[in-house]
Amino acid sequence: GEDVEQSLFLSVREGDSSVINCTYTDSSSTYLYWYKQEPGAGLQLLTYIFSNMDMKQDQRLTVLLNKKDKHLSLRIADTQTGDSAIYFCAEKGEDSGAGSYQLTFGKGTKLSVIP
Amino acid sequence: DAGVTQSPTHLIKTRGQQVTLRCSPKSGHDTVSWYQQALGQGPQFIFQYYEEEERQRGNFPDRFSGHQFPNYSSELNVNALLLGDSALYLCASSLAAGGPQYFGPGTRLTVT
Repeated sequence: GEDVEQSLFLSVREGDSSVINCTYTDSSSTYLYWYKQEPGAGLQLLTYIFSNMDMKQDQRLTVLLNKKDKHLSLRIADTQTGDSAIYFCAEKGEDSGAGSYQLTFGKGTKLSVIP
Repeated sequence: DAGVTQSPTHLIKTRGQQVTLRCSPKSGHDTVSWYQQALGQGPQFIFQYYEEEERQRGNFPDRFSGHQFPNYSSELNVNALLLGDSALYLCASSLAAGGPQYFGPGTRLTVT
């Protein structure tokens, strides 16, 4: 079945770059997503990438996808204290697949930014 | 442009009771998905509704049921509540034609 793995914790200094990594097992994944969750809140969509792309940049965020290794990363440039949150990687299967409409999430990476 | 809204924000129920959670999708969206997020875990897919029908279901028992109304809003019902049903319940909306899922703020359910 599908599985998404993330490291649980990451600590960086304010102003440095953060890199959050994710691996997934479903080779039929069509889209891969990054969501941010602040304490007591819902999930905020940060960015997403289609499986035929290898990179996407959006302001301070850069997503890299290595489809061969099923590895996804999110780089946050110039990390700020407001970036402290839990970051979830999620994948969506192909439209004709059994699990096609659902998102499968990792357990999340808690990013702590040290002032 | 209103995003996804959910009600209530918090809810406390007793074991064996029944609960109904509500969700209004983002303007223009026609599809609603429900997820359960236990403490310290990622969200788990419960089911998705489109055209007032359950289109796909995750690995949840029949105690979990739902409904979608003609205006695309949705309800999640849970019967015979168990302590293990305590979680944050998240609603997400999207377009059936494609595109990402956008999440609401969630309903925190506590079963005592």
